[in-house]
Amino acid sequence: GDSVTQMEGPVTLSEEAFLTINCTYTATGYPSLFWYVQYPGEGLQLLLKATKADDKGSNKGFEATYRKETTSFHLEKGSVQVSDSAVYFCALSGNNNNDMRFGAGTRLTVKP
Amino acid sequence: DTGVSQNPRHKITKRGQNVTFRCDPISEHNRLYWYRQTLGQGPEFLTYFQNEAQLEKSRLLSDRFSAERPKGSFSTLEIQRTEQGDSAMYLCASSSHDRGRNTIYFGEGSWLTVV
Repeated sequence: GDSVTQMEGPVTLSEEAFLTINCTYTATGYPSLFWYVQYPGEGLQLLLKATKADDKGSNKGFEATYRKETTSFHLEKGSVQVSDSAVYFCALSGNNNNDMRFGAGTRLTVKP
Repeated sequence: DTGVSQNPRHKITKRGQNVTFRCDPISEHNRLYWYRQTLGQGPEFLTYFQNEAQLEKSRLLSDRFSAERPKGSFSTLEIQRTEQGDSAMYLCASSSHDRGRNTIYFGEGSWLTVV
């Protein structure tokens, strides 16, 4: 079945460092791909999404490009801030959008 | 605030008791989803509704779990005879499924601790 594999954490970076969190997927058909962020004690917030190959999702300085040839959707940010500390989840949904599959999450800690 | 609303946010219950969580989706959304999230894991899909119809429930964890959405608006998730392994965060989400795929928006979750 459809699944998502993302980079294991935790990831610890200094402020202003470059961030990459890897995500690869397995799916039949043409899924939509998402990154969600979860701050401590809160639910998930949509960070960005891409619905077809070569689309780039971007938000708050984060970017991810839907790469069908490598079945990947890596999350990047050029300069992280302390406020970016959170858990990041890669996810996909299939054609019917009724069963979103999530990766296990990557915890990011940014130190001043 | 017109986001997905869940309550209670936290619930501590004794093993064997029944618990019920409520979810109020974004008002114009016709789809409603329930997920479970345990520590260190991503959310796990449980069930979903389109309007009042429960279209998928095979992923509910056991027959102790049930969900309803009687009028196609709010939903409840009930866990009967709770066990310690039920301790988790229960997330509700909603989306507008008109044509094709639409973004799913999550609530802040309901934490369950079974003691």
